[in-house]
Amino acid sequence: DAGVIQSPRHEVTEMGQEVTLRCKPISGHNSLFWYRQTMMRGLELLIYFNNNVPIDDSGMPEDRFSAKMPNASFSTLKIQPSEPRDSAVYFCASTPAGGRLGEQFFGPGTRLTVL
Amino acid sequence: DAKTTQPPSMDCAEGRAANLPCNHSTISGNEYVYWYRQIHSQGPQYIIHGLKNNETNEMASLIITEDRKSSTLILPHATLRDTAVYYCIVRGYSGGGADGLTFGKGTHLIIQP
Repeated sequence: DAGVIQSPRHEVTEMGQEVTLRCKPISGHNSLFWYRQTMMRGLELLIYFNNNVPIDDSGMPEDRFSAKMPNASFSTLKIQPSEPRDSAVYFCASTPAGGRLGEQFFGPGTRLTVL
Repeated sequence: DAKTTQPPSMDCAEGRAANLPCNHSTISGNEYVYWYRQIHSQGPQYIIHGLKNNETNEMASLIITEDRKSSTLILPHATLRDTAVYYCIVRGYSGGGADGLTFGKGTHLIIQP
């Protein structure tokens, strides 16, 4: 079975450029999460969706960050404009309705470097 | 959510049981204890969770003290592949759908050959 798919796996861009990270959750899962991991701050929850609806975006750092989930099989996290401090590994995770409590399935992550 | 405290690092010999402690003295009655691990360069992986009873699955056992203020994750026969950062997370259940997780710094477990 395919797990959570994230693309690209690595992204290098220059400050000021727009960056779009993509996530395909596991088929049939109805909740999707975006996390960011840095050495300084560890793993942080950015935003999550239940049934394609954003539930909590309080972790989104600022207005430069936006996330969408147009359908149950696709989500994007966009940074515009990007800054060097956005460099991090971004993880997407999904979980099924009625699944084991608290079990989230994480993707392999996208390593973003902003120069 | 209750705050958790874990040792930053631990060593364990291969083949021995690895016992990872977690302190969550401010846990409230409806909060669960979850354990995840993150192997280098991979996404976190769910291990186990519990409310007040001890739990066991194919990966590990979770022992929760009677007052629920601390817990221990036990990997019964550690292998080199168990080297990872282990996160103890306490989270309530809203009942309205899945909730995000708050990860602390975790314990870096190193299995020695």
